[in-house]
Amino acid sequence: EVQLLESGGGLVQPGGSLRLSCAASGFTFSSHAMNWVRQAPGKGLECVSAINAAGSGTYYADSVKGRFTISRDNSKHMMFLQMNSLRAEDTAVYYCAKGVETSGYTAFDYWGQGSLVTVSS
Amino acid sequence: EIVLTQSPGTLSLSPGERATLSCRASQSVSSTYLAWYQQKFGQAPRLLIYGASSRATGIPDRFSGSGSGTDFTLTISRLEPEDFAVYYCHQYGSSPRTFGQGTKVEIK
Repeated sequence: EVQLLESGGGLVQPGGSLRLSCAASGFTFSSHAMNWVRQAPGKGLECVSAINAAGSGTYYADSVKGRFTISRDNSKHMMFLQMNSLRAEDTAVYYCAKGVETSGYTAFDYWGQGSLVTVSS
Repeated sequence: EIVLTQSPGTLSLSPGERATLSCRASQSVSSTYLAWYQQKFGQAPRLLIYGASSRATGIPDRFSGSGSGTDFTLTISRLEPEDFAVYYCHQYGSSPRTFGQGTKVEIK
C-alpha cells in the first residue's frame, strides 16, 4: 500500500523558515517523480515544486522560486521542501504527491494527508 | 502560462444522473497531458483520469475522460452518492503546471 506522510508544518512568522518532510512507502521511491502541491484555505490547488526520480531536475512555481528548495533522499525514501522568507500568502495545506512517471511532467496518483503551514505574526 | 477554465462552477444533479464537466485551456495542452482529480471536503485530491482519458488505478468505469488540444471533458455516467465533490482539471505538459479553479458537483 502506497503511503505518503508529511511532517514539519506549523505556525511561523513572516520572513521565517520551515522544512517540510515527506516519508514514502509502498512503492519504488527512486522510480517516481515527487511533488509538492499546496491549497490555501478555501482555495484551489497550486503546483509548488517537483523533482524527478533521480533528483537531477527540479521545478518551482514562480511564486516560490528563489525562496523554496526541493530535495530528495532516495536511500531513505524521503522528500523535503525547505521554505525560506515565508510570506502570509504561503499559508496553505501542503500536500506531498507521487508522480505517475519518472519525469516531472506527470500526473499525481497518490497524495499525503497534507501539512498545514500558517504564516502569521 | 496555460490557463484552465472549468465550467460550470457548480453542477446541481441528482443521484443516477449524468454529469458532464468541461475544462478549456487557453493554449493547446501538449501530448494530452491533462488529468482530472476529485476532492472531498477535508481530504486530499484523488486522481481519476490522466493522459486525458486513462482511468487511474481503482477508479470505477462510470468515470471517463475525453478531449484533446484545448477542450477536455470529464463524464460521470451515473452519479453515486459518493461522487458529490469538487473536481479539478490539471495540465502537466507545460510549465507552469496549472489547475483549473474547480467544478463543484452538488446534490440537487
